[in-house]
Amino acid sequence: GNSVTQMEGPVTLSEEAFLTINCTYTATGYPSLFWYVQYPGEGLQLLLKATKADDKGSNKGFEATYRKETTSFHLEKGSVQVSDSAVYFCALSDSGGYQKVTFGIGTKLQVIP
Amino acid sequence: NAGVTQTPKFQVLKTGQSMTLQCAQDMNHNSMYWYRQDPGMGLRLIYYSASEGTTDKGEVPNGYNVSRLNKREFSLRLESAAPSQTSVYFCASSGELYSNQPQHFGDGTRLSIL
Repeated sequence: GNSVTQMEGPVTLSEEAFLTINCTYTATGYPSLFWYVQYPGEGLQLLLKATKADDKGSNKGFEATYRKETTSFHLEKGSVQVSDSAVYFCALSDSGGYQKVTFGIGTKLQVIP
Repeated sequence: NAGVTQTPKFQVLKTGQSMTLQCAQDMNHNSMYWYRQDPGMGLRLIYYSASEGTTDKGEVPNGYNVSRLNKREFSLRLESAAPSQTSVYFCASSGELYSNQPQHFGDGTRLSIL
C-alpha cells in the first residue's frame, strides 16, 4: 500500500534559519503530493501541492519539488519566522480510485526568536 | 467563508455513552471524510463518503458508524464510547472523484472518554 515517511520532530530553529523537512513516499502509479500545515487548535490547511514529476509547489515562501527518481517531496523555506511554528504534514493522493489521501505522521516545527 | 464546520468543538463522555459528531460543508463537494488524529500516528481515516448516498470504511472503522445525510452533511457516531476513542476528530471534504484537488478540513472535535 501507499505510505509517507517524515520525521516527527520537534524541529527547533532560530528565526531566519533555513528549513528543510524531509518527506519520502511509496506509491504505485503517479500520485499527487501535498504539504499541509496545522496551527495550534486548528485543522489542517493546504500549504502547497505538486501533481507530476519535477513540478515545484510554492506558497508563503515554502517550496517543495516532486522528485520521482528519489520518491521525495522535501519542504524548504529560506528564512523561517516565529509565525511558521506549526505541525507540517506530507501527504499523497492516489492516482486512481476515490482520491484516498495518505498522510505522514506530521513534523512539529518550533521557531524561537 | 465557512468551509467545513464541525460541532461540537469539545466533548467529554463516560465509557459506554453514545454521541454524534456533526460535520457540514458549504463548498458543494462530493467527497467527505472522517479522520482521527493521535500523537505519533498522524491522521487515520475512519470512514469516507465518495458521494451522496455512499459510505465506505477507512483504516480504523471499528466502533464507529457514519451517515451521509445529504450532500452537505456527514456525521460520525460512537455507539458505545471507549477510552481508546479519546482523540481529535477531523472532518474533511474534497471535490470531484478522480481529481487531485486538496482536502479542506474543519477545526476538529476534541473528544475525551473517561
